[in-house]
Amino acid sequence: DQQVKQNSPSLSVQEGRISILNCDYTNSMFDYFLWYKKYPAEGPTFLISISSIKDKNEDGRFTVFLNKSAKHLSLHIVPSQPGDSAVYFCAANRYSSASKIIFGSGTRLSIRP
Amino acid sequence: DVKVTQSSRYLVKRTGEKVFLECVQDMDHENMFWYRQDPGLGLRLIYFSYDVKMKEKGDIPEGYSVSREKKERFSLILESASTNQTSMYLCASSNQGAGANVLTFGAGSRLTVL
Repeated sequence: DQQVKQNSPSLSVQEGRISILNCDYTNSMFDYFLWYKKYPAEGPTFLISISSIKDKNEDGRFTVFLNKSAKHLSLHIVPSQPGDSAVYFCAANRYSSASKIIFGSGTRLSIRP
Repeated sequence: DVKVTQSSRYLVKRTGEKVFLECVQDMDHENMFWYRQDPGLGLRLIYFSYDVKMKEKGDIPEGYSVSREKKERFSLILESASTNQTSMYLCASSNQGAGANVLTFGAGSRLTVL
């Protein structure tokens, strides 16, 4: 049972344009959603998070949108830069559970010149 | 610069060998995790520790054990390595407590079992 799904394994976007990465979840009990970025041969690094009581969180070029009724969140990167080429993982956890962090399968983003 | 350090970046082992993967964090974090990353499957939790000598099984603990004798160190043990344990292994740590559990990851250990 995959509670957090990233249905697009890969995405290619032109430099300067908007990148939109999507994530769907099935468990309405999740309280927090996070995005991590991973370069080859490195561990994932935290990018941005959002609480389930909000519908938007912004940090510089990165914005995460949460649609609770659709159980869907998305990460927007504007404008996309070559250094954004990486694998992006969506993750979710409940407030009360430090260990129960569920990750999606990841989306590989490629920024083309 | 705080970090999580995984001592071995690349290992090649033979089927049946005992394998130790070591992880050390310098952030005084209570929680430590071992994940494996496989293409198309994302990150799957093997084991979690919330305190010294305390551990919980994750989603895929079969074939693995862990040891946490000191707060800063969390070891993953493969008692008898098998080819289906060929994978990227990621150690992570986080602060105790509820909320958005932000993990700090190590660089990973790529294990190949022949």
